[in-house]
Amino acid sequence: QLQLQESGPGLVKASETLSLICSVSGDSMRKTGHYWGWVRQPPGKGLDWIGDIHYTGTAFYNTSLQSRVTMSVDTSKNQFSLNVTSVTAADTAVYFCARHLARSSGWLVDSWGQGMLVTVSS
Amino acid sequence: AIQLTQSPSSLSASVGDRVTITCRASQGISSALAWFQQKPGRPPKLLIYDASTLHNGVPSRFTGSGFGTDFTLTVSSLQPEDFATYYCQQFLSYPLTFGGGTKVEI
Repeated sequence: QLQLQESGPGLVKASETLSLICSVSGDSMRKTGHYWGWVRQPPGKGLDWIGDIHYTGTAFYNTSLQSRVTMSVDTSKNQFSLNVTSVTAADTAVYFCARHLARSSGWLVDSWGQGMLVTVSS
Repeated sequence: AIQLTQSPSSLSASVGDRVTITCRASQGISSALAWFQQKPGRPPKLLIYDASTLHNGVPSRFTGSGFGTDFTLTVSSLQPEDFATYYCQQFLSYPLTFGGGTKVEI
């Protein structure tokens, strides 16, 4: 059964870089139809899609964050990562990693990690 | 980006009630819509995809319908464990987008 687990610093200083890793178990990251992505949720607010990446390195980012976001994949470690540069208090959120399935109808988010709260401090 | 508008933003209901939540897309998305349930401190849980297909293990009291721009999620008989926040999401095109959520309260 697929399991996703986020890890990384829970506290980041403003203007620095937020870096998170998602560890994948129970599934191969190298399947053609699997994409690996991130969604965030500010405290008390709704869900905001950040982007996703294929094991080949092809990535799609939300235009709202595109200039500050980078994702990468390390299939040898069964991990993928998220970097968000120049963070502000607005980047404080629970960050979820999630599997996206490429289907004829689109990219379905079907499995989620437990989520990790990242707080940006001034 | 495709915008999704959910209504209502919150509702009060009782156990056994029939509850309906709507989601309207700013442009046609065929049937590329999913519904998620989220409880406090937990990740979202996939309930329905392709507008009307029940995900594995989801009780049959949950049904989804719609096509194009207008979609609904119905819970036929609300159970205590169904009190949560529900989100619709379109997965037709990037960026993937979510509705604002509907909180179902007792």
